[in-house]
Amino acid sequence: DQQVKQNSPSLSVQEGRISILNCDYTNSMFDYFLWYKKYPAEGPTFLISISSIKDKNEDGRFTVFLNKSAKHLSLHIVPSQPGDSAVYFCAASKGNTPLVFGKGTRLSVIA
Amino acid sequence: GAGVSQSPSNKVTEKGKDVELRCDPISGHTALYWYRQRLGQGLEFLIYFQGNSAPDKSGLPSDRFSAERTGESVSTLTIQRTQQEDSAVYLCASSSDGYREPQHFGDGTRLSIL
Repeated sequence: DQQVKQNSPSLSVQEGRISILNCDYTNSMFDYFLWYKKYPAEGPTFLISISSIKDKNEDGRFTVFLNKSAKHLSLHIVPSQPGDSAVYFCAASKGNTPLVFGKGTRLSVIA
Repeated sequence: GAGVSQSPSNKVTEKGKDVELRCDPISGHTALYWYRQRLGQGLEFLIYFQGNSAPDKSGLPSDRFSAERTGESVSTLTIQRTQQEDSAVYLCASSSDGYREPQHFGDGTRLSIL
C-alpha cells in the first residue's frame, strides 16, 4: 500500500512558466515532508522541506505548499528553467521514522 | 571529496553470487542510510545507522541482506546468494543527525543480476 503517491509520472512545462508537482499521502500521522530532485545517474538532492505546523515554505524559486486536511502537498517552481528538468521525489515521515518516498515525477522544461 | 561516495558505481554478477557494496559518508555525519530503487519505483528504505549501531533494520527484505558500519564512517551492504529481483540501484545517504535532517545521497551502485 503506497503511503506517498505522485500520480503524475511526467510533466512538461515551457521555460519561464510555473511548474507544479503534486504529492498525496494517506498517513495522517506524517508530520514532515521533503522534496528531492534527481538527475540521471546521480543521487537525489535535497530541495526543500516543510513541517506539518506550517502550510507554506519558500526558498528562492521553490515553494512547497501543504494542505493537511486534503493530505496533499505541492512543489511550485517559478520561473521554470531547463536545468530544472529532472525527476522530483516527494517524501514524508512521522516522528523519528524512515522517510517514505513517492515514485517520482519526471519534469521536462522546454526552452 | 566532500560528498557521499559509493563503490562500485556498477556491478554485474551472476545469480547466486554474493555482492558487497560500499558507502563512504560525509565526514562527521553520524547518520547513514541505505535505500534501494527498483526501475520505475521510489526509494525503498533498507537500514539506518546512528554511529555504528543500526537502530532500524526494518527495511531489509530478507536475511540475505546485511549491513555494517565501522568507525562511524564506512558502511558495507552485503547481499548473499543474489537473486534477479535484487537488481536495482542501491543508494546510500548520510545526515548530520537522524531522519529529520536533510539526507545527502551518493550516486548509487547499479546492481544487475544475470
